[in-house]
This record gives sequence, structure tokens and C-alpha cells, in this order.
Amino acid sequence: EADIYQTPRYLVIGTGKKITLECSQTMGHDKMYWYQQDPGMELHLIHYSYGVNSTEKGDLSSESTVSRIRTEHFPLTLESARPSHTSQYLCASTERTGTGMNEQFFGPGTRLTVL
Amino acid sequence: AQSVSQHNHHVILSEAASLELGCNYSYGGTVNLFWYVQYPGQHLQLLLKYFSGDPLVKGIKGFEAEFIKSKFSFNLRKPSVQWSDTAEYFCAVNRDGSARQLTFGSGTQLTVLP
Repeated sequence: EADIYQTPRYLVIGTGKKITLECSQTMGHDKMYWYQQDPGMELHLIHYSYGVNSTEKGDLSSESTVSRIRTEHFPLTLESARPSHTSQYLCASTERTGTGMNEQFFGPGTRLTVL
Repeated sequence: AQSVSQHNHHVILSEAASLELGCNYSYGGTVNLFWYVQYPGQHLQLLLKYFSGDPLVKGIKGFEAEFIKSKFSFNLRKPSVQWSDTAEYFCAVNRDGSARQLTFGSGTQLTVLP
């Protein structure tokens, strides 16, 4: 079944550790996104990708980095986690259309806590 | 900068009550409009969307929304809510068909009492 997956679902980690949040989709979508969401707040775009080897930063400044080596895979990395990185991270994807933005499909999210 | 406002942070209703959740945006150009829902423990999923045509759009589970261009609004409605509608609802706006920019509101938590 076509879907979008994120692992881990929950992560509690100490300050200074390097972490990678995984995101994979089986829908063959070209466009993928990472959002950051704090409780009771809106989703903020932190990274997006139009396709393989294409990544750009979003509106919300983030110390994280992303890569897009394969269409289905869009991992997010924090080289040195800090308590200020504590948040929920949502991955999404959408198909390329001639009319611009189509429905985005979301993963279940990773809830990150940095101690 | 484009913004999306959802006026109610938390709405509590009894079953069978009617629902209207407000959404306003601050961009004057062409927009695509979305309502997403997140049920407890589940993914964020699309409820309905408006791209063009009839400004009254119908979505899943009996929800509908009306695009009123003059008011920059896209309010979500349901005539009779059920306990299973308890969830968080997000309005989102895409500007000018950009593949990059989807701006979300801060969400409204709906609690339906049985």
C-alpha cells in the first residue's frame, strides 16, 4: 500500500548527539517536505525538495540539513542536537502537477525531545 | 508575509451540534485552500480542498467548506458532529499554485462530547 513513513516515532536524546530522522514514501512523489510543529502552533516549513539532488530551505530557519539521493527517501539530520530542537517533525510528499500545489500526504511525525 | 488565521484554538461541542470553524488568510492573489484533520494518534490527512469553480466544496465525512473571496475566508462546516470528529483541524493556503509554499494555520482542537 502506498504510504509515507517516518522513523523513529519518538526520540529522546542528550545534547550534542547527532541524529537522523528518516522519511520514506512509496508513492513515487517528486516533491517532499519537512515541517516543524510545536504544540498548539502551526506547521512551519523547514526544508523541501523538488526531486533527486534538489533541496532548499523553507521559511523557518533550521540548523538541520536534508539530502535527497533517492526519490523515495528524504532524511533530516541534526549534527548536534540541542534542547531548542525539541519539537515534532512532520514529513510530507506530493506529486508533481502542472497546476502547482496538490494534496500533500503526511507521515505520522517524529516527536523529538533533546535533554 | 502570507498568514493564515484560525480564530478558535479549542472548540467543545455536544454530539449533533453544528460546527463552523473559521479560517482567514491574508493574501490577495490566487489561492488554493485546504483543510486537514489529525485524529488522535493518526497522520495529518486531507479533509477537503478548493482550487477553482464552485466555492462550496464537499469533503469526507460530511464536512464542507465555503470559499468567500471577498472575505478571504474558507470556513469549515458540518451540520451535525459526532464523537468521532474529535480531532485537530488545520486550514492551509497555497499561494499562486506554488509547489513550495503551503502555509498552515495554528489549528483548532475540536472536542465532541458524547
